[in-house]
Amino acid sequence: AQTVTQSQPEMSVQEAETVTLSCTYDTSESDYYLFWYKQPPSRQMILVIRQEAYKQQNATENRFSVNFQKAAKSFSLKISDSQLGDAAMYFCAYRSSYNTDKLIFGTGTRLQVFP
Amino acid sequence: SAVISQKPSRDICQRGTSLTIQCQVDSQVTMMFWYRQQPGQSLTLIATANQGSEATYESGFVIDKFPISRPNLTFSTLTVSNMSPEDSSIYLCSVDRTGSYTEAFFGQGTRLTVV
Repeated sequence: AQTVTQSQPEMSVQEAETVTLSCTYDTSESDYYLFWYKQPPSRQMILVIRQEAYKQQNATENRFSVNFQKAAKSFSLKISDSQLGDAAMYFCAYRSSYNTDKLIFGTGTRLQVFP
Repeated sequence: SAVISQKPSRDICQRGTSLTIQCQVDSQVTMMFWYRQQPGQSLTLIATANQGSEATYESGFVIDKFPISRPNLTFSTLTVSNMSPEDSSIYLCSVDRTGSYTEAFFGQGTRLTVV
């Protein structure tokens, strides 16, 4: 079975600085999707960024980018120029291309942003 | 994108009672997903609901405890039956981007407290 591990329960960053959130996963599959979701206090889960495993190029969405290391099964999220609105829980998630019924989530990292 | 309305947004219930959570989507979707997020923890899939068929439950979740209805392509309900304090969680409804599983959309969740 696939698992997703986030080893950082909490992280903090100064406004305008850069922070990296870690995620590792375990799978025997070769084709899958990886996601970072943000959950602010409103509880609304928001997709931040996704990565297809077959793509070698790291995904980028404005201030958010990932470092996808397929061999190491690592998928970290870098937030540049951090803003107060980035404060939230961040969940790393895995979805198989063969069994697409569910997302498998990590335990989350709470990000605090200080002015 | 899909807009998901979930009701109620929160409730406090007595143990032994049942609560039905509603999920309404603004477009027709094949599958709807129900997740549970226990306090301070990650999201765990409860079941997948297809219109016109029985819901498929994940290991550890049973229909008697979490009956699901899916009467049409835009609506689903999840009932939490015979509640105990251990059922205190956030329950989230989710759907996939139409024709793709590269992005999941979530409702704002129902925060359930059982006393």
